[in-house]
Amino acid sequence: DIQMTQSPSSLSASVGDRVTITCRASQGIDNDLAWFQQKPGKAPKSLIYAASSLQSGVPSKFSGSGSGTDFTLTISSLQPEDFATYYCQQHKSYPLTFGGGTKVQIK
Amino acid sequence: EVQLVESGGNLVQPGGSLRLSCAASGFIFSDHYMDWVRQAPGKGLEWLARIRNKANSYTTEYAASVKGRFTVSRDDSKNSLYLQMNSLKTEDTAVYFCTKGYRGGGTWYSGDYWGQGTLVTVSS
Repeated sequence: DIQMTQSPSSLSASVGDRVTITCRASQGIDNDLAWFQQKPGKAPKSLIYAASSLQSGVPSKFSGSGSGTDFTLTISSLQPEDFATYYCQQHKSYPLTFGGGTKVQIK
Repeated sequence: EVQLVESGGNLVQPGGSLRLSCAASGFIFSDHYMDWVRQAPGKGLEWLARIRNKANSYTTEYAASVKGRFTVSRDDSKNSLYLQMNSLKTEDTAVYFCTKGYRGGGTWYSGDYWGQGTLVTVSS
C-alpha cells in the first residue's frame, strides 16, 4: 500500500497568512493526488485533483503543486472560513489512501 | 444539482450485518464510478471501496480492512449505491460517506461530491 504522510499534523495561523501543507507519498504516484477540506461535522469538500487542478467553484487562493512523491497545498491568504482540516489522497493505486490530515487552527 | 443521500446507519451488535444505501441524483449515475469512505469518531478519512461503471464491468476494489466482509454494489436503474456490511466489529464504528467519481487527467478520482454521511455504531 502507498502511505501518505502529511505535515504538519496541525498548525496555528492568522487571518491573512500564507499557509503551506505538505503531503509525501511512500512511492511515486505521478500527479494522481487530490486535496480535500473538512469542517467539523461536515462532509469533506474537494479542492484539487491531479495535484494542481482546481475543482470547479474553489477559490483561486487554493493551489496545489508537486509530482512523484512530494506535494503541497497552499492557501495564499488565510480567511476565517479556511480554518478546517485538510487531507490529501492518492489515486495511483489501490487502496486509495488518505493522509492523516492537517488541522489549521486560528492563532 | 448533484445530491447524494446515505441511509441505513444504525446501532448493531458485533458480528451483525447492516446494509447502507446511497441515493444519487443530479448526474448520470450510470456513467460514474462510486466510492465509500468512512471516518471513525475523531479520526481521519479511510477509503473503503469502489465500484466502477457498466463500461468497466462494475468491477470492485476494497481496502484490506473490509475485504471479505463488505460488498459494494449498485443499481443503475434506481440511481443507487449500496454497501453490505457483514461480520461487523467495534472498530467499524464510523460515519460512512458515499462519494461520486469523476475523470481528471485520465484518472478516475473520487469525491467531487459527498453525501452527508450515515452513522454506524457497532456495540454490544
